Amino acid sequence: EDKVVQSPLSLVVHEGDTVTLNCSYEVTNFRSLLWYKQEKKAPTFLFMLTSSGIEKKSGRLSSILDKKELFSILNITATQTGDSAIYLCAPYNYGQNFVFGPGTRLSVLP
Amino acid sequence: DTGVSQDPRHKITKRGQNVTFRCDPISEHNRLYWYRQTLGQGPEFLTYFQNEAQLEKSRLLSDRFSAERPKGSFSTLEIQRTEQGDSAMYLCASSLTSGDPQYFGPGTRLTVL
Repeated sequence: EDKVVQSPLSLVVHEGDTVTLNCSYEVTNFRSLLWYKQEKKAPTFLFMLTSSGIEKKSGRLSSILDKKELFSILNITATQTGDSAIYLCAPYNYGQNFVFGPGTRLSVLP
Repeated sequence: DTGVSQDPRHKITKRGQNVTFRCDPISEHNRLYWYRQTLGQGPEFLTYFQNEAQLEKSRLLSDRFSAERPKGSFSTLEIQRTEQGDSAMYLCASSLTSGDPQYFGPGTRLTVL
């Protein structure tokens, strides 16, 4: 059965800190992995990763995938209070569907 | 606004009643997904459509749940004889095709009393 583990489940930091969120997975026929940010409403798309070792970057956020070790990390530098959200990772099981992890709840204090 | 829309945004019902939710995907997206999310959990897959064809249903989807996408555009999710355990956020998402990023609607929050 497909399995996604995210760590930590919860994290509290202060503005300006750098955080690293982890996602490990066991998915048959892996094709890609997506990261989403969820605030009070629906998840919003951040990154799609398909190749190992190639960093995707958007502003202060970056992410990388390791297909050999079956994990991905999401980095946020110089955190702001607006980064407070739940961050979800979702590996794609080719031919089936995305499997969402439980998420990491990030709280950024002023 | 050309994103995914859902209606209603909130629904409160009594146990045993039927409810129906609607989702309008991004217009050119062929795939439409339904998820359920409870507090502290990630979205849980329910079912998805490729155009009007329902291609997969989760084993977790009981017979009380049914979904349609009659013309390959909007979709409805119906829950019959609601139970308190059905209380959750129901999310709809769409994607251009298989494996593409899914874009989510705002969700319908269901409360069963």
